[in-house]
Amino acid sequence: DTEVTQTPKHLVMGMTNKKSLKCEQHMGHRAMYWYKQKAKKPPELMFVYSYEKLSINESVPSRFSPECPNSSLLNLHLHALQPEDSALYLCASSQDYGGRTGNTIYFGEGSWLTVV
Amino acid sequence: GNSVTQMEGPVTLSEEAFLTINCTYTATGYPSLFWYVQYPGEGLQLLLKATKADDKGSNKGFEATYRKETTSFHLEKGSVQVSDSAVYFCAQNRPNAGGTSYGKLTFGQGTILTVHP
Repeated sequence: DTEVTQTPKHLVMGMTNKKSLKCEQHMGHRAMYWYKQKAKKPPELMFVYSYEKLSINESVPSRFSPECPNSSLLNLHLHALQPEDSALYLCASSQDYGGRTGNTIYFGEGSWLTVV
Repeated sequence: GNSVTQMEGPVTLSEEAFLTINCTYTATGYPSLFWYVQYPGEGLQLLLKATKADDKGSNKGFEATYRKETTSFHLEKGSVQVSDSAVYFCAQNRPNAGGTSYGKLTFGQGTILTVHP
């Protein structure tokens, strides 16, 4: 079972709203990721959590705030977003972040975010 | 640096045609290589992977062989179906100095495939 579950599937929010995207995996993976994908482009890495600690922040604006409550859950808190932040947000997981050859990353179905 | 280059699309084929999508990479060391597929309105699904030179990944009739000498990982399918219409991404997983892989993918730009009946 290689399933990463994301909620909600669609989200529309105003620029003054606060909302959260949620991600869950039950594969025992210890690395979890947030990617952002604009239309017709490849995904871009935003954050990496390894063993529930933030390992990488790819210079993401502070209006995006990740949180890893436990090894199965990953949240992305959204506040004061801009219309250009509208995109597909993909959560992913892998066995770990470093130290294993052939580390395979599994993606969820994504959350479609529209900022109005 | 590490990069992945895919053939430009879009690619349009008739059902049962042969498919090739070219992918080449540059890397320090020996990365793992992946093909992901994204169907309309969905997330990315892992299609196949190869972790070392001469490995062949295969799934759902698709195949790709890790060619170190040509730094390539071309995707092929002998007979495409309408249901194969999607965007295909080639990706590599950057190895660290110790030869194992970080979980940080470098993607190609994606190739849009449309298959007509």
